[in-house]
Amino acid sequence: AQSVTQLDSQVPVFEEAPVELRCNYSSSVSVYLFWYVQYPNQGLQLLLKYLSGSTLVESINGFEAEFNKSQTSFHLRKPSVHISDTAEYFCAVGEKTSYDKVIFGPGTSLSVIP
Amino acid sequence: EADIYQTPRYLVIGTGKKITLECSQTMGHDKMYWYQQDPGMELHLIHYSYGVNSTEKGDLSSESTVSRIRTEHFPLTLESARPSHTSQYLCASSLGWGTGELFFGEGSRLTVL
Repeated sequence: AQSVTQLDSQVPVFEEAPVELRCNYSSSVSVYLFWYVQYPNQGLQLLLKYLSGSTLVESINGFEAEFNKSQTSFHLRKPSVHISDTAEYFCAVGEKTSYDKVIFGPGTSLSVIP
Repeated sequence: EADIYQTPRYLVIGTGKKITLECSQTMGHDKMYWYQQDPGMELHLIHYSYGVNSTEKGDLSSESTVSRIRTEHFPLTLESARPSHTSQYLCASSLGWGTGELFFGEGSRLTVL
């Protein structure tokens, strides 16, 4: 069975500074990888996803993530954060053999400090 | 834009009451899911459905039950609520094969006194 690890439960960062949120996964088969964002009192929204092809994927609001198969990682980065990026971020894994279940990591709380 | 709706958004009830959390989607998605989200944020899959008349238990054991009589509707029921059921419940749907994207409702926050 697959599993997802997000080592940082909380990440405080100053506005306009870069940030990296780490995600590692384990799976015995090929996977799809996702980052979801949850703003206060809302459900989760897809931020970006890796299905196949280029290992570097980008979102419309400046985030990017790179799939590293050898290190089984899918870290999320942004070169310059804004106050509005304050939210909970979840890494998720779906196995290519089945879309029946998507497993989520424990989440990272990103706090952007003015 | 995703069209998946959960009601109620917030519910406070006493122990022993029966409750049903409603979830509806207008996207025609076959697959639907219920996640339980702890106060510490972690999400746990408690139920999922491949389509009408299909329901499966997820990774986290739950005393709740679900039904899928119509494609668009996936309600979750607790026959006798307890304080340990206090949590946020998130409903989601997906096209399934080939996309991987889950569309989430805004959640139902349940507090059992």
